[in-house]
Amino acid sequence: DQQVKQNSPSLSVQEGRISILNCDYTNSMFDYFLWYKKYPAEGPTFLISISSIKDKNEDGRFTVFLNKSAKHLSLHIVPSQPGDSAVYFCAASSRRSQGNLIFGKGTKLSVKP
Amino acid sequence: SQTIHQWPATLVQPVGSPLSLECTVEGTSNPNLYWYRQAAGRGLQLLFYSVGIGQISSEVPQNLSASRPQDRQFILSSKKLLLSDSGFYLCAWTSGTGVYYGYTFGSGTRLTVV
Repeated sequence: DQQVKQNSPSLSVQEGRISILNCDYTNSMFDYFLWYKKYPAEGPTFLISISSIKDKNEDGRFTVFLNKSAKHLSLHIVPSQPGDSAVYFCAASSRRSQGNLIFGKGTKLSVKP
Repeated sequence: SQTIHQWPATLVQPVGSPLSLECTVEGTSNPNLYWYRQAAGRGLQLLFYSVGIGQISSEVPQNLSASRPQDRQFILSSKKLLLSDSGFYLCAWTSGTGVYYGYTFGSGTRLTVV
């Protein structure tokens, strides 16, 4: 049973426009959510996170929104740049899972110049 | 500063051969250590995690095992590889209470079983 779902395997966006990556989860015990960025043949790198007590967290061009009632979060990248092209993983954790991260399958973002 | 080393970067092994992947962390003590696998078309799957020397928790029953012989060393092994063991293996660490700051991943090992 997939607890963290990223239903869009890929997304293509024009440079300068907004990229919106979506993530849904099923476990209401999750209380912390993270986004990771991964380039080919490299390990994922931490991008941004949000606690379940918040509904928005912003860091430069990256903003994560959390809708607890819908069990949905999204990552907004504005403006998108070609260097943002990578696979983005959504991850969630809970105290019950001892903090172990549960990852989605990832969304491949392509930003075209 | 903390760094994580993982090797080898790529590995091609025949079916039935043994496997040993090593991961070490520098610049910290008593880290939580993790092995993840990314198989083709799938997300990052947690395989093993360890909160201390000799303490290993397995998330998925499989053909693999893990060991933590030293505080900052985490080893992934198999006695006989299967074709389905192919994938991208990632080691990660976090401090004991640091999950809310996210994991730090190694650069990964691309394993191809032929």
